[in-house]
Amino acid sequence: TQLLEQSPQFLSIQEGENLTVYCNSSSVFSSLQWYRQEPGEGPVLLVTVVTGGEVKKLKRLTFQFGDARKDSSLHITAAQPGDTGLYLCAGPLSASKIIFGSGTRLSIRP
Amino acid sequence: DAMVIQNPRYQVTQFGKPVTLSCSQTLNHNVMYWYQQKSSQAPKLLFHYYDKDFNNEADTPDNFQSRRPNTSFCFLDIRSPGLGDAAMYLCATSVRKVALNEKLFFGSGTQLSVL
Repeated sequence: TQLLEQSPQFLSIQEGENLTVYCNSSSVFSSLQWYRQEPGEGPVLLVTVVTGGEVKKLKRLTFQFGDARKDSSLHITAAQPGDTGLYLCAGPLSASKIIFGSGTRLSIRP
Repeated sequence: DAMVIQNPRYQVTQFGKPVTLSCSQTLNHNVMYWYQQKSSQAPKLLFHYYDKDFNNEADTPDNFQSRRPNTSFCFLDIRSPGLGDAAMYLCATSVRKVALNEKLFFGSGTQLSVL
């Protein structure tokens, strides 16, 4: 059972377009994180959201935590080829364990 | 200035031949993790150390062992690799336990191939 479901699994869009990817769960999380992983590298943290309804912006990336703290979204405005990568959401399952979602593999075409 | 360093980047081993992957950190973080990531899948936690306290995930095969001789180093030993163990192995660290919204710092991973 995948506790964090991400959609879509794959997304290929043209440079300059906008996109949104989703992370959903039936469980409540105290916080959710978003990581980006480039091929052959480890994931790198983009943001942590901790309050229901919270919105955080990181340049062209906007992250939102659902009011009920069961879901999160990542919106990218005017996507660029450098945004290409695997986007993973993650949340703490216990004091010492983070679980990761299934990931969205994003490809931006020049 | 690499902070979590994994060696080697690529490792090829034979079916059944023991292999050791290494991870070192310059961050002096208390917690170190080993994740397994298969192609197009989410990283899966194998085990972690909180300081010297070892915590094994219930579904981690007995074939996988780990050692943490000091704060800086952590090793993943695969005693008898099978074809299904081919994957990217990621080492990560955090200052404190992740329930405190801690950031995970990942190494670049070791891509393991089993022939």
